[in-house]
Amino acid sequence: EAGVTQSPTHLIKTRGQQATLRCSPISGHTSVYWYQQALGLGLQFLLWYDEGEERNRGNFPPRFSGRQFPNYSSELNVNALELEDSALYLCASSHQDSQETQYFGPGTRLLVL
Amino acid sequence: AQSVSQHNHHVILSEAASLELGCNYSYGGTVNLFWYVQYPGQHLQLLLKYFSGDPLVKGIKGFEAEFIKSKFSFNLRKPSVQWSDTAEYFCAVNRYGGSQGNLIFGKGTKLSVKP
Repeated sequence: EAGVTQSPTHLIKTRGQQATLRCSPISGHTSVYWYQQALGLGLQFLLWYDEGEERNRGNFPPRFSGRQFPNYSSELNVNALELEDSALYLCASSHQDSQETQYFGPGTRLLVL
Repeated sequence: AQSVSQHNHHVILSEAASLELGCNYSYGGTVNLFWYVQYPGQHLQLLLKYFSGDPLVKGIKGFEAEFIKSKFSFNLRKPSVQWSDTAEYFCAVNRYGGSQGNLIFGKGTKLSVKP
C-alpha cells in the first residue's frame, strides 16, 4: 500500500512569491493535515481538511491556505512568501474510522530566498 | 492551551544501553498519545500509540511506552538500543476522539547511539 506522497520534494522561491505544495493521502483516507517543521520551532499544525472542507487551522496567518479535492488530495498555498516560511512542510492523512492516527508523508522542503 | 514537553533535547547512548525518553503533556481532558520517529533522511513514522486500556503500550522495533495519568506522562523506553535507533523522537497528543484533528508535538529528542 502506498503511503502519503508529497510534491515537490524541494522548492526554492523568493520573498513575495507564492508556493503551492501538493499531497496525496493513503488510499481510503479522507482527512489530510498540514504541518510546518521549522528549525527550532518543532512541528506546528497548519490545516486540517476532511471531506473537502477545512475543519480546523492552526495559528498561522491567512496567507497560508489550502484546499482538498474530490479525490481527497490536497494542496497548500503560501502567498507573499517571507524568509521565515522556509521550513519542511509535512502532510499527513487519516482514515475516517480512526481519525486520531495520522500517517505522514516525506515532506516538501521550502526555501525562501 | 495544550502543550507537550520533551525534557531531553539530545541523548547520546552506547549500543545495548537502556533508553528512556521523557514526555509530559498539559491537558485536563482525555487524550490520545503517540510517539513518532524520524530516522535520518526518512519521513516521520508512527512508533506506538495509546488511546485507552493497558497503560503499557508496545510498539515497533522493541519500543514501549507507559502512560501515567497522574503524572501526565508518556515516557518511551527500550531496554537495549541499537545503532539503527539513531533518530529524532517526537511525542504527540491530540484530544480523545480527535475532534480538533491536529496533533500537538513536543520539540523532539535526538537520540545518537554510538556503535
